[in-house]
Amino acid sequence: IAGITQAPTSQILAAGRRMTLRCTQDMRHNAMYWYRQDLGLGLRLIHYSNTAGTTGKGEVPDGYSVSRANTDDFPLTLASAVPSQTSVYFCASSLYGTSGTDTQYFGPGTRLTVL
Amino acid sequence: GQNIDQPTEMTATEGAIVQINCTYQTSGFNGLFWYQQHAGEAPTFLSYNVLDGLEEKGRFSSFLSRSKGYSYLLLKELQMKDSASYLCAVMNSNYQLIWGAGTKLIIKP
Repeated sequence: IAGITQAPTSQILAAGRRMTLRCTQDMRHNAMYWYRQDLGLGLRLIHYSNTAGTTGKGEVPDGYSVSRANTDDFPLTLASAVPSQTSVYFCASSLYGTSGTDTQYFGPGTRLTVL
Repeated sequence: GQNIDQPTEMTATEGAIVQINCTYQTSGFNGLFWYQQHAGEAPTFLSYNVLDGLEEKGRFSSFLSRSKGYSYLLLKELQMKDSASYLCAVMNSNYQLIWGAGTKLIIKP
C-alpha cells in the first residue's frame, strides 16, 4: 500500500538521550519534510529535502538534524533531547517540492515525550 | 513576518452549513491549502486554491481572495464525521507551507 510510514508511533525519552525518528515513503516523491505540531500552534517545519542528497533548514531546525541518502528515507535525529522537544512529529512528502501545486501527504506521526 | 489567522474553535449543528475563515500575510504566495485533521491522526488534503474564486468539491468548497489575503472553507450538510480540526496553509515564495493553528470544528446533533 502506497504511503508514508513513521516509527516509532510513540516514545518516552530521558533528557540528554539521542533519538532517531524514522520516515519512509514508497510514492517516489522527490521532496520530504519534517514538522512538529504543538498545541495551539500551527505545524512548524523543522527540515526539508527537495531531492535525495540535499537538505534544508526550516523554521525551527535547532537541536535536530536530517539526512537524505536515498529517495525513500528521511530520518530525523535529536542529538541530545530536551523537554521542549516534546511534541508530535509528522513526516510528509510531495512530488516536487518546488511547485505551487505540490500537495503534501503526511505520515501517521510520532508522539515524543522528553522527560 | 508571516502569519496565518483562523478561529480557534467553532460549533455547528448536524445538517447545517459552516464557514471557516482564514486570513494570511506571507512572503510571497504560491497557493493556499486546506487540510482536515481528526484528533490523533495526520492531516489530510482537502483543497487547493491559487486563483481568486470558489473551488467546489462535493460538500466542501474553498474560496480565495488574493487581494484581501483571505480564504474560507465552506462545509455543507454537516455530518458528525466532519468533527475535526481544519488547517489553513499558504505556500510562500520559497515553496514552504506556512500553517495556521487550525480551527477545531465541533458538530452537535
